Amino acid sequence: ELKVEQNPLFLSMQEGKNYTIYCNYSTTSDRLYWYRQDPGKSLESLFVLLSNGAVKQEGRLMASLDTKARLSTLHITAAVHDLSATYFCAVDMWGRETSYDKVIFGPGTSLSVIP
Amino acid sequence: EPEVTQTPSHQVTQMGQEVILRCVPISNHLYFYWYRQILGQKVEFLVSFYNNEISEKSEIFDDQFSVERPDGSNFTLKIRSTKLEDSAMYFCASTEGRSNQPQHFGDGTRLSIL
Repeated sequence: ELKVEQNPLFLSMQEGKNYTIYCNYSTTSDRLYWYRQDPGKSLESLFVLLSNGAVKQEGRLMASLDTKARLSTLHITAAVHDLSATYFCAVDMWGRETSYDKVIFGPGTSLSVIP
Repeated sequence: EPEVTQTPSHQVTQMGQEVILRCVPISNHLYFYWYRQILGQKVEFLVSFYNNEISEKSEIFDDQFSVERPDGSNFTLKIRSTKLEDSAMYFCASTEGRSNQPQHFGDGTRLSIL
């Protein structure tokens, strides 16, 4: 069974600082998503990473995927308070080698950006 | 922008009762999903649905759960005999295809079992 881990689970950082959230997964997949969730709200799609070496950037967030290492990173540059939320990575089991229509979420990283 | 809509936003039900959660996916989407999130915890996959059939289901999705697409627009999740541990936020999601599209999530239904 696919396991998805995130590190750290809780992150408190000051505005203006940089940090990276890590997402590891246990079986082969070349599709990974990052979502943001504000308290009491739904999940907002941030990035879709579809191949080894994929890198996507949007504002202060940049995501990358290394399928060989089974690792994705979400890098935060010069954090601002508005980025405070929970961030989930989600691994899609649908791909070239498998066709399971199943997406497994990591436990989430709760980010607090302090002024 | 098109949205996935879910009703009701909050459902309170007595243990042992049946509950139906409703979702209207985005109109040109073909793949549909249900997830649940127990308060403060991770998002758990329940079931995927395509071409009027279940594609995959998790261990959580036992005989008490069923899904249906009764018409061209609605996608429902039924829990036959609710238990206290079914209390959670239930999210519906849909996607147009399985090539490069993310899943679009509804706002969720908070299910409280008393």
